[in-house]
Amino acid sequence: EIVLTQSPATLSLSPGERATLSCRASQSVSSYLAWYQQKPGQAPRLLIYDASNRATGIPARFSGSGSGTDFTLTISSLEPEDFAVYYCQQRSNWPRIFTFGPGTKVDIK
Amino acid sequence: QVQLVQSGAEVKKPGASVKVSCKASGYTFTSYGISWVRQAPGQGLEWMGWISAYNGNTNYAQKLQGRVTMTTDTSTSTAYMELRSLRSDDTAVYYCARESNSGYYGYWGQGTLVTVSS
Repeated sequence: EIVLTQSPATLSLSPGERATLSCRASQSVSSYLAWYQQKPGQAPRLLIYDASNRATGIPARFSGSGSGTDFTLTISSLEPEDFAVYYCQQRSNWPRIFTFGPGTKVDIK
Repeated sequence: QVQLVQSGAEVKKPGASVKVSCKASGYTFTSYGISWVRQAPGQGLEWMGWISAYNGNTNYAQKLQGRVTMTTDTSTSTAYMELRSLRSDDTAVYYCARESNSGYYGYWGQGTLVTVSS
């Protein structure tokens, strides 16, 4: 079973700053990794898929990188609406299994 | 447009069962699987399992094996998740989700709060 760990647990930043979030897998997931944003009371929203592809409608300030076991989500310049919790997720094609990381909360400093 | 509409909130006693529905529209139901994800209050996302709407094949999270059953009704484009022997730590918001063409969860239901309390 693949386990995802995320760091840091909380990131306190100001609007306009750069955010760098990390996700590490217990074994290689190739590039089968996604990032989601979740705000209170809302369902998660897909941001990045296959490690580095932005989902439809996602602003260019969000970017993803990495492969194998180490992945990064970067928000180049934080907007007020970006303060939220971010989850990484890996998927396997068969059996069809998806695993989430524990999340990183980005809050306002 | 793709929509996933879930059934309403439930309150159950420990040991009981709950069945949550997820009605899909805006696409061919049998073309995509449906997954279930839950989130306990103040906690992270937990993947529960996946069902193929095409042939009913399922994969469940190891932790829930034996307590969870996922089914679909293709005549009504509805997916169901039943969880048995409920405990207080099953209190959570339960989401259904469908993959987008990316292979990840591009579409989500609105969530169903299940509260387990004596």
